[in-house]
Amino acid sequence: GAVVSQHPSRVICKSGTSVKIECRSLDFQATTMFWYRQFPKQSLMLMATSNEGSKATYEQGVEKDKFLINHASLTLSTLTVTSAHPEDSSFYICSARGLAGVTYNEQFFGPGTRLTVL
Amino acid sequence: SQKIEQNSEALNIQEGKTATLTCNYTNYSPAYLQWYRQDPGRGPVFLLLIRENEKEKRKERLKVTFDTTLKQSLFHITASQPADSATYLCALRSGNTPLVFGKGTRLSVIA
Repeated sequence: GAVVSQHPSRVICKSGTSVKIECRSLDFQATTMFWYRQFPKQSLMLMATSNEGSKATYEQGVEKDKFLINHASLTLSTLTVTSAHPEDSSFYICSARGLAGVTYNEQFFGPGTRLTVL
Repeated sequence: SQKIEQNSEALNIQEGKTATLTCNYTNYSPAYLQWYRQDPGRGPVFLLLIRENEKEKRKERLKVTFDTTLKQSLFHITASQPADSATYLCALRSGNTPLVFGKGTRLSVIA
């Protein structure tokens, strides 16, 4: 299957700092990337959808000025959590979808990034 | 509002038996229904996809059924093994929309 990587896998930061998470599709071109957040024992909640070269579409209740998403190329999307606070601590997972075929239908996920804000 | 329910939060079964997980949805007309496996601290891993016009899909020890009248999908793991222990997520999609996930069922296969 197609491979999606995320970096870093784990980050601990102080309250008020900004954290950037990278998501890369390694062997296919991702025309659309999705960012999800998952709290313990909860489902994956979609935060935003981004298409390469255009602005991200955020889900209701997700602050676009706090969670900055950039999808500058067909293989890279970044999520920046600005002025992070302890309530932003969560598991962030990206997902990528290609233009056609298997990578369009099956939506592949990265391994996730555990963010802890002290 | 749209709802996806995976009826059991946790399911324990004996090794060698068939595990059956249920996914029900309301106020939704999905074109695709997908099942993923998630291990603790990891992202979901794709298992199977079934389309709205398909009744059943199989892959090795896995079988998925999709009943659009009942608005239900069943996910079966036959000859279950301890290595199958994980959380299994049901997810739905209509056309080009993002996947929407259920809460998952935590399966424990006991040796």
